[in-house]
Amino acid sequence: AQKITQTQPGMFVQEKEAVTLDCTYDTSDPSYGLFWYKQPSSGEMIFLIYQGSYDQQNATEGRYSLNFQKARKSANLVISASQLGDSAMYFCAMREGRRGNTPLVFGKGTRLSVIA
Amino acid sequence: GAVVSQHPSRVICKSGTSVKIECRSLDFQATTMFWYRQFPKKSLMLMATSNEGSKATYEQGVEKDKFLINHASLTLSTLTVTSAHPEDSSFYICSAGHGGPRFFGPGTRLTVL
Repeated sequence: AQKITQTQPGMFVQEKEAVTLDCTYDTSDPSYGLFWYKQPSSGEMIFLIYQGSYDQQNATEGRYSLNFQKARKSANLVISASQLGDSAMYFCAMREGRRGNTPLVFGKGTRLSVIA
Repeated sequence: GAVVSQHPSRVICKSGTSVKIECRSLDFQATTMFWYRQFPKKSLMLMATSNEGSKATYEQGVEKDKFLINHASLTLSTLTVTSAHPEDSSFYICSAGHGGPRFFGPGTRLTVL
């Protein structure tokens, strides 16, 4: 079974509008971390936001916020005030366990296109 | 600034040659680093977990004799693609982290002719 599911292969959003990228996860470990990365055409993986399973509040980083719904096992990324430079692939990922030496497992990604 | 560096960023080699890719953590010590492979328009697939001072842990289906990993120090892990073939052409990217966020190197695009 897939541990990370991103159901939107592609999304379009108008510039300056907000957009939500979906991510659901599957784990039986009570301790885990959820990540979102942006990958532009250059290939680099840009860290956007992190949410720990025990964090009480939703994570926010500038225009990025993570809508963490633990009971639903969802960790959607919300980008506010979209910019043309936001056009890229976006990956949701999960680390299981509390220790820092477990790998990230990635979803298939969502390609976001911002339209002027 | 970048916290994980990777070198080279791009390499083209002939079939049968070996290619070494370096991954360095720049301002922290990493006892564990991770190597991923990414095909065009696909997601990142974990190849192996690199452990400082011990053998790497390979994912199922990854040939350990073909993809040699050495983690000789707390800031450096290397991936050597031995006897490269055209099907090894791909984007290779390493990752390291301490605590919460995981950082990635800029990646190495390998083309085997």
